[in-house]
Amino acid sequence: GQSLEQPSEVTAVEGAIVQINCTYQTSGFYGLSWYQQHDGGAPTFLSYNALDGLEETGRFSSFLSRSDSYGYLLLQELQMKDSASYFCAVNQAGTALIFGKGTTLSVSS
Amino acid sequence: DAGVIQSPRHEVTEMGQEVTLRCKPISGHNSLFWYRQTMMRGLELLIYFNNNVPIDDSGMPEDRFSAKMPNASFSTLKIQPSEPRDSAVYFCASSLQAQANYGYTFGSGTRLTVV
Repeated sequence: GQSLEQPSEVTAVEGAIVQINCTYQTSGFYGLSWYQQHDGGAPTFLSYNALDGLEETGRFSSFLSRSDSYGYLLLQELQMKDSASYFCAVNQAGTALIFGKGTTLSVSS
Repeated sequence: DAGVIQSPRHEVTEMGQEVTLRCKPISGHNSLFWYRQTMMRGLELLIYFNNNVPIDDSGMPEDRFSAKMPNASFSTLKIQPSEPRDSAVYFCASSLQAQANYGYTFGSGTRLTVV
C-alpha cells in the first residue's frame, strides 16, 4: 500500500515563507506531485518531482529526497490568495496518483 | 479549451435511487480518473481508465458503483442504489497519460447529497 503524511494546518502572514512537508511510504515510487485546492474548487496542479532536488516555479518551489522518502512545497512572498489546501500525491509507474489528506494554509494580513 | 466538464454540478437524491455522474475529458488526453472527496477520507481514487480501458478499479467501494468509458470523450460513474454514506464531491480528472509529470486537470466536481 501507499501512505502519505502531511500537517493538517499551517498558518502564516502575508509576505512570509512557509514550507509544507510530506513524507511517504510506497513501493515502486515514481514521483511526488503537489496540488492546490481553494475552498469549493477543484485541485490544480502545481509541481512534479521525480528526481532529487529543488524545482522552482515562480513563488513556489518543490523539493524531493528519494532516499528520505520526503518532499516539501515552499511558498514564498505569501499572498492572501495562497490561502488554500495543498495536497502531496505519489504514484508508482503506470498508476494513478494517491493523495495525502491535505494541508490547510491560512494566510493573514 | 473548455477543460474537463462534469455534470451535474449538484445532485440531491433519495436513498435507494440511481445516480449517474458524467464527465467529458480534455480532447487528446488518454487517461481519465474518478476521485471522491470527503472531509474524513480526503481525495480517494475510485477508478482510472487509459485509452478508454479500465486499468485500476480497486478503489471502487462496492458493487453499487460502476464506471464506463464508451469513447475517448465521455465517461460515467453510476451509483445504484445510492446510500447516505455516498454523499461526497466526485471529481473527474484527465491527463495526457497516467504518468503524473504532465499533471492532472480536474473538473469542477459533482457535489452529491444522498438523503
